[in-house]
Amino acid sequence: KNEVEQSPQNLTAQEGEFITINCSYSVGISALHWLQQHPGGGIVSLFMLSSGKKKHGRLIATINIQEKHSSLHITASHPRDSAVYICAVSGRGGGADGLTFGKGTHLIIQP
Amino acid sequence: SAVISQKPSRDICQRGTSLTIQCQVDSQVTMMFWYRQQPGQSLTLIATANQGSEATYESGFVIDKFPISRPNLTFSTLTVSNMSPEDSSIYLCSVPFQWTGEDTQYFGPGTRLTVL
Repeated sequence: KNEVEQSPQNLTAQEGEFITINCSYSVGISALHWLQQHPGGGIVSLFMLSSGKKKHGRLIATINIQEKHSSLHITASHPRDSAVYICAVSGRGGGADGLTFGKGTHLIIQP
Repeated sequence: SAVISQKPSRDICQRGTSLTIQCQVDSQVTMMFWYRQQPGQSLTLIATANQGSEATYESGFVIDKFPISRPNLTFSTLTVSNMSPEDSSIYLCSVPFQWTGEDTQYFGPGTRLTVL
């Protein structure tokens, strides 16, 4: 079974700071997901990665398959970025199996 | 994209009773996943529900406790049977969906269950 570790567990930063959240996993995967969970429980998919790097607006996600490691970066952070960020992995491609989740990183951006 | 609704959004139940949670998707999808998020914990996969076949349960979850139905490609139910306080969790359904050529995962809003 894959073990997914995230760091840090909690992060408080000032508005405008560059944020990095890390994720490592123990077994080879087909895809890694970064998810955002707001208070109240709603979960939104940010990225799905199988290699390289992706960018959406101020969010950047990278993955190193050989090192079994991924990072999520937020540039020019804003209080509305405050949420729990969750790393999850799947073993087969195309969403063919369920995800194994990390415990999440609770991010607070202060004005 | 896919829009997922769940009913009920929350419930408070007595020990020993059962609750059925409904998940409705606005598009036809082959696979649907049910997850549990216990307080302060990460999400855990309960089972995979494919239309036309029996659900596949993860280690630690059994059909007698969490029976699942998948009558068509847009709907599924998860029943939490003979509930105990340890079943107090958020239950979510999720579907993989391809949007703008990319595979992604969509999640329902969740059902917050409290068992007294």
